[in-house]
Amino acid sequence: NAGVTQTPKFRVLKTGQSMTLLCAQDMNHEYMYWYRQDPGMGLRLIHYSVGEGTTAKGEVPDGYNVSRLKKQNFLLGLESAAPSQTSVYFCASKWGVSEQYFGPGTRLTVT
Amino acid sequence: AQSVTQPDIHITVSEGASLELRCNYSYGATPYLFWYVQSPGQGLQLLLKYFSGDTLVQGIKGFEAEFKRSQSSFNLRKPSVHWSDAAEYFCAVGARNTDKLIFGTGTRLQVFP
Repeated sequence: NAGVTQTPKFRVLKTGQSMTLLCAQDMNHEYMYWYRQDPGMGLRLIHYSVGEGTTAKGEVPDGYNVSRLKKQNFLLGLESAAPSQTSVYFCASKWGVSEQYFGPGTRLTVT
Repeated sequence: AQSVTQPDIHITVSEGASLELRCNYSYGATPYLFWYVQSPGQGLQLLLKYFSGDTLVQGIKGFEAEFKRSQSSFNLRKPSVHWSDAAEYFCAVGARNTDKLIFGTGTRLQVFP
C-alpha cells in the first residue's frame, strides 16, 4: 500500500514552459487535493476534486489546471510557468469525513 | 472569515522540556481540528484529530491536544520533547459541511540537546 505518491520529486522549468504533476493514491479515496507550500504561508489550496470527473477551484487556482479522469489520479498542470510558481507542491487525498493523507511533495523551480 | 492562527512562528526548547504549541481558529460551524507534523523535505503526517466527544485527544509520538470551544483553541502539548520532534507543526480546521481544510502558517520547533 503506497498511499499517496507524487511524480516527479523535483523539476526545474524555464519561464513559459509547461508541465504536469501527477498524484496517485491507492486507497480508493474520493477526495483529492493540490496544495502549494511557500515559506511563512502554510499550505494553500490550488484545486481539489470530490470524485472522478469533478474538479473545483481552491484559494489560489490562477495559472493552474487539473484533471481527474481516473479516481486514483489527480493531475496538476502549469500551462505557462512563471517564477511566482516556484514552490513545493503537495497532493493529498481523503475518504469521506476523515483526515487528509499527504504525498511527499514536488519541489518546482521556475527560472 | 474562517481562519487559523498559529501565533508562534518559531519555538526553541531543550530536550526533555515540556512543549505547548498554540492554535486558535475562527470558524462558523462546529469545527473538525487537526495537527500535522512535517519533517524537513517530507510530506505532512497526521499527529491527531478532533471530531467530537472527549475534548482531550491523544495522538502519536506522545502528543496530545485539548479542544477548548470557549477559547476557540486547539493547543498541542507534549510533556517531554525529544530531539526527533524538531519539525514544523501545522494546525488545520475543517467541518462536516465542507470538503476543505484551512491550515495555519505553521510553527517551527527547534530542540536543543
